[in-house]
Amino acid sequence: SQKIEQNSEALNIQEGKTATLTCNYTNYSPAYLQWYRQDPGRGPVFLLLIRENEKEKRKERLKVTFDTTLKQSLFHITASQPADSATYLCALVRNAGGTSYGKLTFGQGTILTVHP
Amino acid sequence: DTAVSQTPKYLVTQMGNDKSIKCEQNLGHDTMYWYKQDSKKFLKIMFSYNNKELIINETVPNRFSPKSPDKAHLNLHINSLELGDSAVYFCASSPGTGRRTNTQYFGPGTRLTVL
Repeated sequence: SQKIEQNSEALNIQEGKTATLTCNYTNYSPAYLQWYRQDPGRGPVFLLLIRENEKEKRKERLKVTFDTTLKQSLFHITASQPADSATYLCALVRNAGGTSYGKLTFGQGTILTVHP
Repeated sequence: DTAVSQTPKYLVTQMGNDKSIKCEQNLGHDTMYWYKQDSKKFLKIMFSYNNKELIINETVPNRFSPKSPDKAHLNLHINSLELGDSAVYFCASSPGTGRRTNTQYFGPGTRLTVL
């Protein structure tokens, strides 16, 4: 069966270090992968999108990699700050059952806490 | 200027009641969605509408009936509420339906509690 797993439910790191979050999937052939940030009591906010033919994407302190052979995406936050503390969700994008409509399937999220 | 708004933010009701949640987006997007986030934080798509037409229906009980009066609004009506319907419901919109254009813009969520 199809499965998306974000490797840890919670990740604690020290301010200034690089946070690395993992998203693994099985039995999917996603065309795109997206990462979102969700703060408590709020809706997710889009951060980055990476396509299957892209190895890496960067935006300021954020970096995403996508390895379709390993079926894995890594999400890095460099020089992390306490304000980066949130839940981070990965989402696989593929066509919904025989249509051309893109459908997102989300992982369960990783709660990142950056300690001062 | 709120991009995607939902009302109400909190909804507490008894089992068996019927309730509605409203959603509006001012982003000019063509596509809108309803998601359910359960207590384990899994976010699952329920429905998607494009220009007022239903395009994705994810095997949701027919007690849930979405309605899109125009492409800026997508409402969710739930009949005969059950305990298992307790969750946070998120509305979202995207510029388009394709895999390249469906970056989601989420509303703040509606926390539904069924007693």
